[in-house]
Amino acid sequence: GAVVSQHPSRVICKSGTSVKIECRSLDFQATTMFWYRQFPKQSLMLMATSNEGSKATYEQGVEKDKFLINHASLTLSTLTVTSAHPEDSSFYICSARLSSRATDTQYFGPGTRLTVL
Amino acid sequence: SQQGEEDPQALSIQEGENATMNCSYKTSINNLQWYRQNSGRGLVHLILIRSNEREKHSGRLRVTLDTSKKSSSLLITASRAADTASYFCATDEGGGFKTIFGAGTRLFVKA
Repeated sequence: GAVVSQHPSRVICKSGTSVKIECRSLDFQATTMFWYRQFPKQSLMLMATSNEGSKATYEQGVEKDKFLINHASLTLSTLTVTSAHPEDSSFYICSARLSSRATDTQYFGPGTRLTVL
Repeated sequence: SQQGEEDPQALSIQEGENATMNCSYKTSINNLQWYRQNSGRGLVHLILIRSNEREKHSGRLRVTLDTSKKSSSLLITASRAADTASYFCATDEGGGFKTIFGAGTRLFVKA
């Protein structure tokens, strides 16, 4: 099946630094990619939807200046957590879909665990 | 935003027993999906059921969908210790452009 990778899988950083997480679709071109955040023992909360070549659409309550999303190509989307603070510590998961149609399967990456000290 | 509510939040059963998890949602949908997540890992897609389907099977999994009640259930038959994981339902929202997850059920299967 289709594969989505994330890099890094785990990152520890100091408060105030910025962290970039990459999401790649390895064997298909993803028109649409999604970024989710998951706190321990909780569900996945959609942060934003990114479409290749256009600005990301952020969910209510998600700061676009805090979480910068770039979807520059059909196989790569990046999430940059700017000026990270301990409350940003979470599991970040991306997913990719061939098109914007909900009937297309979403393929999820393995996740990136961010710990901000 | 979160679309689905899942019930129960946690479920502990013996190996060999069946496990049933329920999911309710709020808005109309095109499809509903079930995912599995092992602790600290990514998601594994289990099954997708469309709004015009009532039941779907895949191996030991059986999913039902009742659009009149806006609810779905996932049944895992003859459970195994390896089925221990969190299970999430997810529905499309916003005209089908995005997928919203339910709160999840944590299943623990005792060997």
